[in-house]
Amino acid sequence: DGGITQSPKYLFRKEGQNVTLSCEQNLNHDAMYWYRQDPGQGLRLIYYSQIVNDFQKGDIAEGYSVSREKKESFPLTVTSAQKNPTAFYLCASTESPRGTGELFFGEGSRLTVL
Amino acid sequence: GENVEQHPSTLSVQEGDSAVIKCTYSDSASNYFPWYKQELGKGPQLIIDIRSNVGEKKDQRIAVTLNKTAKHFSLHITETQPEDSAVYFCAASNSNQFYFGTGTSLTVIP
Repeated sequence: DGGITQSPKYLFRKEGQNVTLSCEQNLNHDAMYWYRQDPGQGLRLIYYSQIVNDFQKGDIAEGYSVSREKKESFPLTVTSAQKNPTAFYLCASTESPRGTGELFFGEGSRLTVL
Repeated sequence: GENVEQHPSTLSVQEGDSAVIKCTYSDSASNYFPWYKQELGKGPQLIIDIRSNVGEKKDQRIAVTLNKTAKHFSLHITETQPEDSAVYFCAASNSNQFYFGTGTSLTVIP
C-alpha cells in the first residue's frame, strides 16, 4: 500500500540531545512537509521541500533541520537549540509542489523531552 | 501571509443532528480549501476539499461551501454519528503552502 511512514511513533529525549524523526513516502510525491502540532494551535509548518536537494523554512524552523537527499525521504532533526520540543510531529506529502493537491499525512511522531 | 481562523473550537451535538464548522481566510489568492479529520493519536485525513471555482461540494453526509467574496468556507455534516467524533481542521492553500485553522473538536453524543 502507498503511504507515508513515520518513525518512531513515540520518542523520549533528554534535554541537550538531538533526535531525528524519520519520514518515508512511496507515493512518488515531489513535495514533503513537516508540521508541529500542539494542543489548541493547529498545525504549524516547520520545513518543506518541493524537490530533491532543496528545502525552505516554514514559520517555526528555529531549532530544527532537515535534508532531502532522496525523493522518498525527508528526515527532521530536532536539535538541542529547540527550546520547547515536546510536541506531536506530522510529516506530509503532496504530488503537486504548487500546494493545490491533496496533502497526505503520516501517523505522526510524539516527542517528549524529559 | 495567509491567516486561517476556525470556529468553534469545540462542538457537541446529539447523534442525528447536523454539525457546522466555519473558517475564514485572509489571502484572496488562496484557491484550494481542504478539510481534514484527525482521530486521536493519528495523522489527519482528507475528508473533502473545494477549489475556488466551485461554490459547493457534497459527498454523502458531508458538504463544504465556499464564499470567495466574504473569504469564508464551511463544513457541514448531516445525520451525525458517534464515529464522526474527532478533531476537524480546515486549511487554505495559495501556492506551495497549506495554512491550517486551529481545529474543532467535535463530539457526537449517542
